[in-house]
Amino acid sequence: SYVLTQPPSVSVAPGKTARISCGGNNIGSKGVHWYQQKPGQAPVLVIYYDSDRPSGIPERFSGSNSGNTATLTISRVEAGDEADYYCQVWDTNSDFGVFGTGTKVTVL
Amino acid sequence: QVQLQESGPRLVKPSETLSLTCAVSGGSVNNDPYYWSWIRQPPGKGLEYIGHIFYSGSTSYNPSLLSRVTISFNPSKNQFSLILTSVTAADTALYYCARTSVSGPVEYWGQGTLVTVSS
Repeated sequence: SYVLTQPPSVSVAPGKTARISCGGNNIGSKGVHWYQQKPGQAPVLVIYYDSDRPSGIPERFSGSNSGNTATLTISRVEAGDEADYYCQVWDTNSDFGVFGTGTKVTVL
Repeated sequence: QVQLQESGPRLVKPSETLSLTCAVSGGSVNNDPYYWSWIRQPPGKGLEYIGHIFYSGSTSYNPSLLSRVTISFNPSKNQFSLILTSVTAADTALYYCARTSVSGPVEYWGQGTLVTVSS
């Protein structure tokens, strides 16, 4: 089945920019969705279809997708952004969701 | 606002069957054109999509679990359910029910329920 690879961890200083990659074969041809999960909480959708933001998600969260890599960018990082982040696509062959391996973002 | 709430036994013995139910409010499992999904997360690990049932009643499952999983719904109670047979310790996880847009993102999540497989 389709595999999505993320870096295990990303560290960033407050006020700086964090970029989280999600690699997959020709992922640019798929819609990519991103979730933020804080400890003890269910995931929250922060980006859908590559770059759209649900209502209530700050403009600091943005996304892009091309070739074999999708990227979630968090600008002007705040302490409250510290969380695990997962990318997700749809495996159209088998009709089920595929999640990335997850990235832990640490705010220094 | 759609809300989902999981319920079911928190402890299951190895080789037995795990059974969970998701109660839905703010939406209809057999009228709203969405996937009603189950997703799990082993302690300290990542997310795994188990499968879903569409409002029409059609289902789709993760190939890695296909032989052991069944998802169904009960329209009269506006609930949907997960059955996972022949469980092992590897099935210990936080189980989430969710509403997923067709072939798209997971829009709403339940709070999750931890199921432990142990004798």
